[in-house]
Amino acid sequence: DAGVTQSPTHLIKTRGQQVTLRCSPKSGHDTVSWYQQALGQGPQFIFQYYEEEERQRGNFPDRFSGHQFPNYSSELNVNALLLGDSALYLCASSYGLIEETQYFGPGKRLLVL
Amino acid sequence: AQKVTQAQTEISVVEKEDVTLDCVYETRDTTYYLFWYKQPPSGELVFLIRRNSFDEQNEISGRYSWNFQKSTSSFNFTITASQVVDSAVYFCALSEALGSAGTASKLTFGTGTRLQVTL
Repeated sequence: DAGVTQSPTHLIKTRGQQVTLRCSPKSGHDTVSWYQQALGQGPQFIFQYYEEEERQRGNFPDRFSGHQFPNYSSELNVNALLLGDSALYLCASSYGLIEETQYFGPGKRLLVL
Repeated sequence: AQKVTQAQTEISVVEKEDVTLDCVYETRDTTYYLFWYKQPPSGELVFLIRRNSFDEQNEISGRYSWNFQKSTSSFNFTITASQVVDSAVYFCALSEALGSAGTASKLTFGTGTRLQVTL
């Protein structure tokens, strides 16, 4: 049973650049949520995609955008990177209208210099 | 607004000791879910348990047990006979039952408790 996968695992960018992170949900799941975890903090909800639409959004600026593909995989895009965007980005998947538990992938550590 | 408080920042125990991780939550929802996740150094959040707000029965799974008390808004996690492999950061999280979109609602996490188990 394939779990949630994310690529790549580590990434270094400079301020002002743009980054795209990718996530494939756990087998059988169709909903993808993204979280940002700063060092020493708990994860913060960014947004969630279901049926290729953004369904819920946390308190993040428009620089954070996303997409979901027909195969349920998802992308998180961050534009105009700031130093404060350095964090672990976690992707979680769940199953539509039935599964209330979100299962997380290994995360992607982004460092902005 | 929902809030989760994990007052214990770091706990150190010697192997085979029992340890309890505290979690206190705030929500105005009458129906909600509580979760515990484990985050080892690799970074992945590992799901441990989900509890529905209507079900206050305590649960035991091997060396793990959970005590849910609605009256005190607490959902504490106890590890019995701790092992070095239990060393990790543990997060308590809260969500409303199925978000407005009908999908799993966003999780509100506490700041985590780092557990260090030594020999």
